[in-house]
Amino acid sequence: QSVLTQPPSVSAAPGQKVTISCSGSTSNIGNDYVSWYQQFPGSAPKLVIYDNNKRPSGIPDRFSGSKSGTSATLGITGLQTGDEADYFCATWDNSLRGVVFGGGTKLTVL
Amino acid sequence: QLQLQESGPGLVKASETLSLTCTVSGGSIMGTSQYWGWIRQPPGKALEWIGSIYYTGTTYYNPSRKSRVTVSVDTSRNHFSLKVNSVTAADTAIYYCAKYDFWSGYFGGFEYWGQGILVTVS
Repeated sequence: QSVLTQPPSVSAAPGQKVTISCSGSTSNIGNDYVSWYQQFPGSAPKLVIYDNNKRPSGIPDRFSGSKSGTSATLGITGLQTGDEADYFCATWDNSLRGVVFGGGTKLTVL
Repeated sequence: QLQLQESGPGLVKASETLSLTCTVSGGSIMGTSQYWGWIRQPPGKALEWIGSIYYTGTTYYNPSRKSRVTVSVDTSRNHFSLKVNSVTAADTAIYYCAKYDFWSGYFGGFEYWGQGILVTVS
């Protein structure tokens, strides 16, 4: 049971937009920055969003992040088949004094 | 470009100790506000943070794993290590090492990851 809650799966057609939610509490999302990771099968996770809404170098602007209260959202526009992957959110939890992850969301591009 | 590489046995017997090392290259492990962590992922499951360390030796552990986990750092060798005692089949997972920044008290995300190492407990 993950501390942060994500939908198990989302899907959308190529070219469309999809959002993935990440729900937490005041001790984690409500009190710190959220980061998002993309993971392909057999590969290590890759940071796609940090500090709620910033993109590392090399991440296309089709990827965006936002945070409101105790929830965060990852948005991907102009979906491509190459975006099919698992996506995880993470943040610091002040009560647990450690990093917490979401359970992951499998994105399917139909 | 910073690179991280996990190393250690891929097979550990139940009740024994799992030991892994993460070697950092392309940069110093002694960077200000840079923290070094271990994350694991059982096959087909979610990521789980195990613990982190700062180069001074300050550690943070997942409360649910703290009793069996030790993270240490060797600044002379630019690497940090993980030990998990009394392993069971439930500890079978891909183990990743990763680096994150903690600027002004805020978590900056795991920017650099190792490729991961599968550890099977038999």
